Amino acid sequence: DIQLTQSPSSLSASLGDRVTITCQAGQDVNIYLNWYQQRPGKAPKLLIYDASDLATGVPSRFSGSGSGTDFTFTINSLQPEDIGTYYCQQYDSLPPTFGGGTKVEVK
Amino acid sequence: EVQLVESGGGLIQPGGSLRLSCAASGFTVSSSYMTWVRQTPGKGLEWVSFIYSGGNTNYADSVKGRFTISRDNSQNTLFLQMNSLRVEDTAVYYCARGVNTLDLWGQGTLVTVSS
Repeated sequence: DIQLTQSPSSLSASLGDRVTITCQAGQDVNIYLNWYQQRPGKAPKLLIYDASDLATGVPSRFSGSGSGTDFTFTINSLQPEDIGTYYCQQYDSLPPTFGGGTKVEVK
Repeated sequence: EVQLVESGGGLIQPGGSLRLSCAASGFTVSSSYMTWVRQTPGKGLEWVSFIYSGGNTNYADSVKGRFTISRDNSQNTLFLQMNSLRVEDTAVYYCARGVNTLDLWGQGTLVTVSS
């Protein structure tokens, strides 16, 4: 199984800050990587697919980049509704696997 | 409205069986790829099973031979039959649309396996 390592595991930032999360894959996954947001008590929600494409209806302050083994997820100006946990997920090979998550809190 | 609604979770003893349901609205399950994912505090998000629109299925090694994914086209519903349940199957189970990219998720249903 392909292991995905996210860092940091948690972060605290001020409203309006730029937030960056990284996801490192244990082997090359091309661009086959997605990012999900999970608000407290809710189901995950797709934000970014194929490493950098914004899902329908997702605000443009969210972005993703990378390919191969190193990926970055950015929130350009942190908003109160962005609080939650963010996960990367690869689908280059079966089984699909998820990163351990990054919990984002407001300072 | 396009949505998925899971049901069927609960408390079950080890070795027992449970069937989860995932009712879809706003789209057709039989024309879609569908996936079950589970989440635990300890292991995080874990893919469980998926079914292609053509009917082919795939399972995580941890549930192979014990869980069966299926769908009922007339009810527009996805199922997960879980047999020989173990304590380590305790989790919130989500159904989701898609296989590689999960673009719609249900709210989840909690399965607790305990004596």
